[in-house]
Amino acid sequence: DTAVSQTPKYLVTQMGNDKSIKCEQNLGHDTMYWYKQDSKKFLKIMFSYNNKELIINETVPNRFSPKSPDKAHLNLHINSLELGDSAVYFCASSYRQGEAFFGQGTRLTVV
Amino acid sequence: SQQGEEDPQALSIQEGENATMNCSYKTSINNLQWYRQNSGRGLVHLILIRSNEREKHSGRLRVTLDTSKKSSSLLITASRAADTASYFCATDKLSFGAGTTVTVRA
Repeated sequence: DTAVSQTPKYLVTQMGNDKSIKCEQNLGHDTMYWYKQDSKKFLKIMFSYNNKELIINETVPNRFSPKSPDKAHLNLHINSLELGDSAVYFCASSYRQGEAFFGQGTRLTVV
Repeated sequence: SQQGEEDPQALSIQEGENATMNCSYKTSINNLQWYRQNSGRGLVHLILIRSNEREKHSGRLRVTLDTSKKSSSLLITASRAADTASYFCATDKLSFGAGTTVTVRA
């Protein structure tokens, strides 16, 4: 069983479109995260949710909106996609601030 | 910022040699973690060191923490080709930097 799974793995879309990336964890963790990794490998934290409540919201355009329907899910919705949004997006989860488990990543390409 | 910042950006060594990389941070912490990322994959947790610990070992990995200098180091001994990866540190909020890319040459 995959601990942290995110879908889709690859996403190619046109500028201006709206898209969502889904993330689910089956580890019983209370904290989930979204990260963006650019071509230079910098791994930037975007959001963190603890028990469905937003606890970290870094400087991210408001076109990005996280949604946590329950503790096991944290989805990322992106409106009006831009070329600069092209990156690999990682979901992760942890129990409190302990060891984090990462998903396999979603490679988003905006054309 | 609670972000960890790794140094050097890149490291190339011969198989069998040791690899050392450093992490600096700016705020007080409860713990510091190191992760590895193989190309195209998610990060994998390597080791967590608490603020009251100075050194920790796990297999060929040795991590030190100096809270007075707000820095940590990761040493990989007797490196193998399979150690080729990027290594990241993170503090309490699990905020990462750009990592250190390690290449182990056969």
